[in-house]
Amino acid sequence: DAGVTQSPTHLIKTRGQHVTLRCSPISGHKSVSWYQQVLGQGPQFIFQYYEKEERGRGNFPDRFSARQFPNYSSELNVNALLLGDSALYLCASSATGVSMVGNQPQHFGDGTRLSIL
Amino acid sequence: AQKVTQAQTEISVVEKEDVTLDCVYETRDTTYYLFWYKQPPSGELVFLIRRNSFDEQNEISGRYSWNFQKSTSSFNFTITASQVVDSAVYFCALKYSGAGSYQLTFGKGTKLSVIP
Repeated sequence: DAGVTQSPTHLIKTRGQHVTLRCSPISGHKSVSWYQQVLGQGPQFIFQYYEKEERGRGNFPDRFSARQFPNYSSELNVNALLLGDSALYLCASSATGVSMVGNQPQHFGDGTRLSIL
Repeated sequence: AQKVTQAQTEISVVEKEDVTLDCVYETRDTTYYLFWYKQPPSGELVFLIRRNSFDEQNEISGRYSWNFQKSTSSFNFTITASQVVDSAVYFCALKYSGAGSYQLTFGKGTKLSVIP
């Protein structure tokens, strides 16, 4: 079975541009989360979506937005890129029951490495 | 607020040695979940183990074992007979059980180098 897939693998942008990152969860997983990992740090939570609704948002500016599609894939959009947005962006999916109890492990993709020049 | 501290930034061991990675967490919640992830140079975070806050039984899974002590808010991870393939950055993470909350709070990671 395919794991979490992310595209593109690498991306180079310049300041002020916008970017769209894509994620396909593991088949059957309805929850998708996005994380930003700056070099040398642990991942930081950006968004979580479940059943196409935003269920959680981390401490990121409004330049960051996301959405989830009916097939549970997701996009992360970042506008007005800054040098500080250079990072590895990780997508994670998890199998989540109706109870929304969060003990299911999140399974991560390989990430998109975004470089801002 | 939740916080995870991994005091060890980098550890080097010789192959076949045992190594323990430390993790200390802070949370006000009574029910929460703790995880260990491995991140090889390729970048993918690989799920290793999970522990519920209400289950303090320590376990062994192959070469991995973990020591969860609620009294000291620690969740340490041990690799026995380390191998070169174990070289990676290891992250400890915390997630509370509040409905609708799925965010993982990660530590800064411990880089493990296993020398042949």
